[in-house]
Amino acid sequence: QKEVEQDPGPLSVPEGAIVSLNCTYSNSAFQYFMWYRQYSRKGPELLMYTYSSGNKEDGRFTAQVDKSSKYISLFIRDSQPSDSATYLCAMRVTGGGNKLTFGTGTQLKVEL
Amino acid sequence: DTGVSQDPRHKITKRGQNVTFRCDPISEHNRLYWYRQTLGQGPEFLTYFQNEAQLEKSRLLSDRFSAERPKGSFSTLEIQRTEQGDSAMYLCASSLSFAGQGYNEQFFGPGTRLTVL
Repeated sequence: QKEVEQDPGPLSVPEGAIVSLNCTYSNSAFQYFMWYRQYSRKGPELLMYTYSSGNKEDGRFTAQVDKSSKYISLFIRDSQPSDSATYLCAMRVTGGGNKLTFGTGTQLKVEL
Repeated sequence: DTGVSQDPRHKITKRGQNVTFRCDPISEHNRLYWYRQTLGQGPEFLTYFQNEAQLEKSRLLSDRFSAERPKGSFSTLEIQRTEQGDSAMYLCASSLSFAGQGYNEQFFGPGTRLTVL
């Protein structure tokens, strides 16, 4: 079983929809939780990070972490065709070289 | 462009050949990471450097793989005797890390796509 599980999709939604992306994990030592966006044949780019449990909002994006359930979410409001990409969750422990453990990524398509 | 750069962007090679990739991190970033991403999967950690010291290697990094960062700036990743299973995107990332710091962002390069025939 992988340390981080993520539904690969693909997920197709109409423009303007609210998108919910999720990951579960097994390592209780994870303290930093990140969401990356990756366009086809490009490197990942950081969208948001959260330390420990709680919510964080940035424009149309909201990240939630529930450490008790080992469950994290990313919500995208008013989705746009330009949001079409693969969304990767990533996690790391405190210290330990800061290496990231990624989920498989969820492929999202926002249709006009 | 002051981001992470990688060269080449694409490499096609025959099984058994050696290949070398280069990564130039963001200037003054002291940490450099290598990840491998296969189709439909997330990136997997391979190794990382703090300045010129290689501090950790994943068990994914077989003895056919070697990475260097000789002067604490650019890094190279060499794969000897390539196998078809080595076909993947090889991603480099860099960050600025210092004592007492909490979060530090890893900035990723565009990757080198390797195809082993």
